[in-house]
Amino acid sequence: SQQGEEDPQALSIQEGENATMNCSYKTSINNLQWYRQNSGRGLVHLILIRSNEREKHSGRLRVTLDTSKKSSSLLITASRAADTASYFCATDAGVGANNLFFGTGTRLTVIP
Amino acid sequence: GAGVSQTPSNKVTEKGKYVELRCDPISGHTALYWYRQSLGQGPEFLIYFQGTGAADDSGLPNDRFFAVRPEGSVSTLKIQRTERGDSAVYLCASSLQGAGTGELFFGEGSRLTVL
Repeated sequence: SQQGEEDPQALSIQEGENATMNCSYKTSINNLQWYRQNSGRGLVHLILIRSNEREKHSGRLRVTLDTSKKSSSLLITASRAADTASYFCATDAGVGANNLFFGTGTRLTVIP
Repeated sequence: GAGVSQTPSNKVTEKGKYVELRCDPISGHTALYWYRQSLGQGPEFLIYFQGTGAADDSGLPNDRFFAVRPEGSVSTLKIQRTERGDSAVYLCASSLQGAGTGELFFGEGSRLTVL
């Protein structure tokens, strides 16, 4: 299966701290995406990083990608209570593929 | 509205019944995806359409599940002879061209409960 796995499964931090979530996947990819899901809601796209990129920033988000290790990390800096949600990485199946497979998710709780 | 719309938002049915779930994607999006999400799990891929055709239906769990997109816009996921194990949130997403080039936009999901 192409599906990725996030680590840790759950993370609890204080407001203002940084949160780091990791994702590992199994096969070659064209791009890797991170999504956020509030409880009972649909998923919202956060950031996309292509296989030829190593790092990408968007506001308080920083994503890294190491294709040699088939892993990615999502860093949320200066966390807020509103960041409380589940975070998923998603990978395609390589160049030319348009399908997207999701990982198991990290449940982040930010304590005010 | 400009987003992906899914109906119904909640569906309770009895074991053995037939269910249809509808997805209205963002206008102009050629790619449409169906996922199933159980509590505490990530979305599980079911089927992906490019236009009117199913580009990949390898995630459909068995022949009780079927999906159509006859005009390349609205899609319907059909589940026959529902079982209690089919209970989950069914998510639909659309994309301008496909996940290989860009992000997916998700609906709020249809929560199916099979009693």
